[in-house]
Amino acid sequence: KAGVTQTPRYLIKTRGQQVTLSCSPISGHRSVSWYQQTPGQGLQFLFEYFSETQRNKGNFPGRFSGRQFSNSRSEMNVSTLELGDSALYLCASSERDYQETQYFGPGTRLLVL
Amino acid sequence: DQQVKQNSPSLSVQEGRISILNCDYTNSMFDYFLWYKKYPAEGPTFLISISSIKDKNEDGRFTVFLNKSAKHLSLHIVPSQPGDSAVYFCAASFSGNTGKLIFGQGTTLQVKP
Repeated sequence: KAGVTQTPRYLIKTRGQQVTLSCSPISGHRSVSWYQQTPGQGLQFLFEYFSETQRNKGNFPGRFSGRQFSNSRSEMNVSTLELGDSALYLCASSERDYQETQYFGPGTRLLVL
Repeated sequence: DQQVKQNSPSLSVQEGRISILNCDYTNSMFDYFLWYKKYPAEGPTFLISISSIKDKNEDGRFTVFLNKSAKHLSLHIVPSQPGDSAVYFCAASFSGNTGKLIFGQGTTLQVKP
């Protein structure tokens, strides 16, 4: 099976703009989670989607949002970008619910200038 | 509140020797633990996991030990190889919330030839 794919891999934006990142999970996986990695905060959970419903949300401002489509593909959106949003954004997918391993994509590197 | 802690930022071992990476957690609700390996600008790669009903799990050169009373887990790599050099993250989740992984800050392992 193909792994988790994320597009684009690299992105440069300026403050105040918005950005949309895309994630395609492993075929058959219905759960998609998003994480932000920064040098200072490490890997932090953003949100999780399962069967098109947001099941979990991390401690991030409302500028961060996401959605999941019926084919399990997911997008996350960040509006009104700030310099501190520069990070590696990672998407992970898992097959089902209980004690299931998450498999990560390569990430999208976002730089906000 | 750092619920998952990796207190050693770095570890250096000689090729062929054992590498032991440690992780402590504070939330007794966690019942599933994972180790990931990560290279810069890439997504984490799953290594091994353990359920709280077990105290040991092995997969080739990798063994994870769980001590629930001490809220401590460790990853043993035997024998260590130069290709093992990377950042290692432990992560935890609990039933009913498996889409959300809580990560430690990571330990950089360097295996010297």
